[in-house]
Amino acid sequence: DAGVIQSPRHEVTEMGQEVTLRCKPISGHDYLFWYRQTMMRGLELLIYFNNNVPIDDSGMPEDRFSAKMPNASFSTLKIQPSEPRDSAVYFCASSFIHQETQYFGPGTRLLVL
Amino acid sequence: KQEVTQIPAALSVPEGENLVLNCSFTDSAIYNLQWFRQDPGKGLTSLLLIQSSQREQTSGRLNASLDKSSGRSTLYIAASQPGDSATYLCAVRPSTDSWGKLQFGAGTQVVVTP
Repeated sequence: DAGVIQSPRHEVTEMGQEVTLRCKPISGHDYLFWYRQTMMRGLELLIYFNNNVPIDDSGMPEDRFSAKMPNASFSTLKIQPSEPRDSAVYFCASSFIHQETQYFGPGTRLLVL
Repeated sequence: KQEVTQIPAALSVPEGENLVLNCSFTDSAIYNLQWFRQDPGKGLTSLLLIQSSQREQTSGRLNASLDKSSGRSTLYIAASQPGDSATYLCAVRPSTDSWGKLQFGAGTQVVVTP
């Protein structure tokens, strides 16, 4: 398996633009997590899904952030409109119900100018 | 709210020396604790997972201990190598009904010098 795949790996955009981050989890995994990592706040859980259904989105910072999982092999995290304080590395991770270990993707480094 | 702390934030040791990394948490009611490794520009890789009922876990040169009552975990890396240079994060699962909802420490950046 190729592991968790994220795209793009790097994104530079201007304030106010829409940003869409993509994630393909490991095949067969039924949990998917979106995290954000910054120097100031460390690694924070934003939202997670079980069998494509959002279970907990309490970590989503604002209404500007939204996440979807239309099927078991694809998820998106959208920021609209983006702001400079959204600059961070966004990670996607997936796991299997019977295995608590989460497998992380390489992350998307987002810079909002 | 659960707080997870890792001290020191950075550590440099010569090759061959044993590494000792610390993790503390404020609420002892945890389900499990995990140690992750993060290489620059990459995602996290799980190293060890300790259930709350366990005292330690071992994998090769890595050994992690857990003292739930005192809110502490320690990761030992024996005979460190330059390839061990990375950031190490610990994460706790705060309660039995929060499957997957991990609370991370800020990490300890380790440099092993040849």
